[in-house]
Amino acid sequence: AQKVTQAQTEISVVEKEDVTLDCVYETRDTTYYLFWYKQPPSGELVFLIRRNSFDEQNEISGRYSWNFQKSTSSFNFTITASQVVDSAVYFCALSVRGGSEKLVFGKGTKLTVNP
Amino acid sequence: DTGVSQDPRHKITKRGQNVTFRCDPISEHNRLYWYRQTLGQGPEFLTYFQNEAQLEKSRLLSDRFSAERPKGSFSTLEIQRTEQGDSAMYLCASSLWRGDSYEQYFGPGTRLTVT
Repeated sequence: AQKVTQAQTEISVVEKEDVTLDCVYETRDTTYYLFWYKQPPSGELVFLIRRNSFDEQNEISGRYSWNFQKSTSSFNFTITASQVVDSAVYFCALSVRGGSEKLVFGKGTKLTVNP
Repeated sequence: DTGVSQDPRHKITKRGQNVTFRCDPISEHNRLYWYRQTLGQGPEFLTYFQNEAQLEKSRLLSDRFSAERPKGSFSTLEIQRTEQGDSAMYLCASSLWRGDSYEQYFGPGTRLTVT
């Protein structure tokens, strides 16, 4: 079975601070995919990134960056110079190759960026 | 690309009533998923369709729940004899093969409140 753990329930920062959201996953499958989604107060889940298990390269997209480390089963997400609009609940998710490829989500981290 | 749409966005019903939700996926997407999200939790997989075939159902999907996807286009999720524990956000996602995995895009959700 797969499991995703987001130990940080809530984080509060002041605008322009950097913040890292932690994600630890468990799976016995060798081919899997990791995702981050953002859920603003409106409720819609917004896709941010997908990473496959064979690609451990870190990725940067604007103020967002992701650090994937298979050795520690972690897929952490950093927001640089946070902004008020980054306030949302962020979910890390995992799917395994084949079959339904259903997403298994963590419980989410609520990020509040204060002005 | 108009995105995934869901209707209604909000539904309030009395315990014991039946409710039906509709999801319209992105037009070329052949897979459609239903998830349920309760307060403070990540979404949990309920069921998915590949075209019109329902290929997997979670044990969360009790006998009171039924989903259909006639002609492989829109999907409906019906809950019979609603209970207060059914109160949740019901999310629909559609996906397309991206060369090595399915990437899921979510609709805005239907928030169900059972009184």
